Amino acid sequence: DTAVSQTPKYLVTQMGNDKSIKCEQNLGHDTMYWYKQDSKKFLKIMFSYNNKELIINETVPNRFSPKSPDKAHLNLHINSLELGDSAVYFCASSRYLGQGFYNSPLHFGNGTRLTVT
Amino acid sequence: SQELEQSPQSLIVQEGKNLTINCTSSKTLYGLYWYKQKYGEGLIFLMMLQKGGEEKSHEKITAKLDEKKQQSSLHITASQPSHAGIYLCGAANTGNQFYFGTGTSLTVIP
Repeated sequence: DTAVSQTPKYLVTQMGNDKSIKCEQNLGHDTMYWYKQDSKKFLKIMFSYNNKELIINETVPNRFSPKSPDKAHLNLHINSLELGDSAVYFCASSRYLGQGFYNSPLHFGNGTRLTVT
Repeated sequence: SQELEQSPQSLIVQEGKNLTINCTSSKTLYGLYWYKQKYGEGLIFLMMLQKGGEEKSHEKITAKLDEKKQQSSLHITASQPSHAGIYLCGAANTGNQFYFGTGTSLTVIP
């Protein structure tokens, strides 16, 4: 059973389109994240949700909007896609983001490679 | 500037050789994590270090944490092609943000 699963694995779309990436975890974790990995393989956090509530919202364009229908799902919607949005997007989850956070490693999905043409 | 700097940026070694990857933080470390990413795949958690001087091993991979130097090292003994990939250190800051290092790309030549 896949612990953190993302769909789709590949996404090719044109500039200006709106797209979504889905993420689900079956680990019973309370906290979920979205990371963006650029062409230099640097991973940067975009959003963090704990029990469906937004905790961290890094400086990302408001074209990116996370949606968490329940604590096992955190979807990423992207409006008006731009060339610079091309990257690999990773979903991750961990146990509660709080006092025990430093003891809880993140579990990652396999990533969604987004290509905007 | 990056909070976690890794060195070297890339490494090419012959199978069977030992190697070390370093991760240095510009801020106080509250635990240090090591991950491996195979090309085109997600990140796999390797190990977590919480206390200064702590050392952990998993198969042929050993990691140490030097809290005073705000540094961690990852050592691979007798490298194999299966060790190839990108190694990333990660840490949490006081704002509970989990951030990653700049990454080290490892190639092992059979």
